[in-house]
Amino acid sequence: KAGVTQTPRYLIKTRGQQVTLSCSPISGHRSVSWYQQTPGQGLQFLFEYFSETQRNKGNFPGRFSGRQFSNSRSEMNVSTLELGDSALYLCASSLGQGTTNEKLFFGSGTQLSVL
Amino acid sequence: AQSVTQLDSQVPVFEEAPVELRCNYSSSVSVYLFWYVQYPNQGLQLLLKYLSGSTLVKGINGFEAEFNKSQTSFHLRKPSVHISDTAEYFCAVSVPNNAGNMLTFGGGTRLMVKP
Repeated sequence: KAGVTQTPRYLIKTRGQQVTLSCSPISGHRSVSWYQQTPGQGLQFLFEYFSETQRNKGNFPGRFSGRQFSNSRSEMNVSTLELGDSALYLCASSLGQGTTNEKLFFGSGTQLSVL
Repeated sequence: AQSVTQLDSQVPVFEEAPVELRCNYSSSVSVYLFWYVQYPNQGLQLLLKYLSGSTLVKGINGFEAEFNKSQTSFHLRKPSVHISDTAEYFCAVSVPNNAGNMLTFGGGTRLMVKP
């Protein structure tokens, strides 16, 4: 089985722009979660999608949004980029059985640099 | 809300020596506990998890962790490390009975195994 695929691997943007990141989960997985990883704040939960619906949301401003398609692929969007949005964005997929003890499978991430 | 503290940001150790990576959590409710490992330029991979039952949990790659409810700790141990164990290790918690996946991570511990 192919793993979790995130594209692109690297992105460079300037302040004020917007960006879209993509995540393809493992086949059969219906839950997709997004995390932001920075040296200062560590790993922080952004949101989780299941069956095209946002099931959980972290404490991030509305500039961060996401969606999930019927094939479980997910995208996240960040509008009006700020320097502090520079981070590694990780996507994780799981079966999505509704419990909180599922094993998450992570992609290698998208490294976003905001100049 | 839950929080996770990893007491050591870096742990240097010689090859074949034992190692313990410390993790303490704070929560007003029972939690599930996880350890994930992140190798350079990769996503996270689950090492082990504690849901209930025996407080000693064995994971992959020879790692084990012990849940101590009274000390709210979940320390990770390995009796003999290898160079290939060099990575960043993250302790995380989730709350049972919440729908979906939402992990709260600690700040990470960088394990550096020296020859």
